[in-house]
Amino acid sequence: GQQLNQSPQSMFIQEGEDVSMNCTSSSIFNTWLWYKQDPGEGPVLLIALYKAGELTSNGRLTAQFGITRKDSFLNISASIPSDVGIYFCAGRTGGTSYGKLTFGQGTILTVHP
Amino acid sequence: DAGVTQSPTHLIKTRGQQVTLRCSPKSGHDTVSWYQQALGQGPQFIFQYYEEEERQRGNFPDRFSGHQFPNYSSELNVNALLLGDSALYLCASSLRQIYTEAFFGQGTRLTVV
Repeated sequence: GQQLNQSPQSMFIQEGEDVSMNCTSSSIFNTWLWYKQDPGEGPVLLIALYKAGELTSNGRLTAQFGITRKDSFLNISASIPSDVGIYFCAGRTGGTSYGKLTFGQGTILTVHP
Repeated sequence: DAGVTQSPTHLIKTRGQQVTLRCSPKSGHDTVSWYQQALGQGPQFIFQYYEEEERQRGNFPDRFSGHQFPNYSSELNVNALLLGDSALYLCASSLRQIYTEAFFGQGTRLTVV
């Protein structure tokens, strides 16, 4: 089945540093999504990408949909303590598979003040 | 405007028992998806309901079944519980007609002992 490989698995950074994480797949996706999950909560959508090559920003977050449709990355600039959490990428093939998301394993982000 | 609400928040069951988890979608949403999130992993798609029918199903055994009611709320049933069914069960709702991205609930933490 489809699998998403997300890296790194965890990151420990200082407040103010920039962060990069990425997601790769053996299959093509038509949609890439990035979510953040805090302890005891469900994932919250950060950025949605719908076109190959698309670059989208949401405040200090920037994400790109890879041109091969098999990868995506997320950057966080000038990290702050509230960025702490688990970040997940998710892909969707679309069409009759509308709604079904395939998630990566997550990147655990720790920000030291 | 209430978001996606799930009940109960926590549940402990014994192996072999049956469990029912409940989900009320975000106001105005008509589609409900269920995900299983094992500890340290990303969510895995179980199935999706729209117009009271199961529309898509992930790689889960028949012990996992669901239902959607006319008011769009949904139930997830798991029979013959195994220790490996211990996980956070997430419900996500969306509006199919305009292909909105899904909003996730806070989840139900199921522990099987």
